[in-house]
Amino acid sequence: QQQVKQSPQSLIVQKGGISIINCAYENTAFDYFPWYQQFPGKGPALLIAIRPDVSEKKEGRFTISFNKSAKQFSLHIMDSQPGDSATYFCAPAANQAGTALIFGKGTTLSVSS
Amino acid sequence: DGGITQSPKYLFRKEGQNVTLSCEQNLNHDAMYWYRQDPGQGLRLIYYSQIVNDFQKGDIAEGYSVSREKKESFPLTVTSAQKNPTAFYLCASTEFIGNTEAFFGQGTRLTVV
Repeated sequence: QQQVKQSPQSLIVQKGGISIINCAYENTAFDYFPWYQQFPGKGPALLIAIRPDVSEKKEGRFTISFNKSAKQFSLHIMDSQPGDSATYFCAPAANQAGTALIFGKGTTLSVSS
Repeated sequence: DGGITQSPKYLFRKEGQNVTLSCEQNLNHDAMYWYRQDPGQGLRLIYYSQIVNDFQKGDIAEGYSVSREKKESFPLTVTSAQKNPTAFYLCASTEFIGNTEAFFGQGTRLTVV
């Protein structure tokens, strides 16, 4: 299976601070780079995703930065809020037959008020 | 509303007993997946299916079985061969195998009693 390495494993940020989560991958065929957000006891849901034709995408306080040469992409949460406290997963994917959907191990974010 | 329905939300299994977790989707998606989530382990892939009557083993398939007789249904059986089945189980679907958004159910929490 393709390797996906997510860091850090956990993150504590003060309210109003910036949260940064990184995802490194090996498969150069990946062409879809999403971040999923999961609250305790719930299933994950897509937060934001990027295609490789752009290097950055912003939706409100959430930004994805993509570095094709380094084979990594990052999630930036600006003005972090207690409601952002959740687990975040990256799951890069490719349009390749036979490939399954593989997730990073997750980052648990706690935003203190 | 379109989505994925998992049932039951909570399930208790006795030692040596097989149990089946239900997953139904009305999104008309071709691909469906089962994941196991343990604290600090992220989402680990058990089985996935690209199309009806076809499925593939994931990273931790031992002690589990699946079927895909209908497009909308992908039940997971946890057999007595699975020695440590206590976990949170998540079902997901995508329109096709590849670079597209994954939709998740709300999960089933299985506990061995």
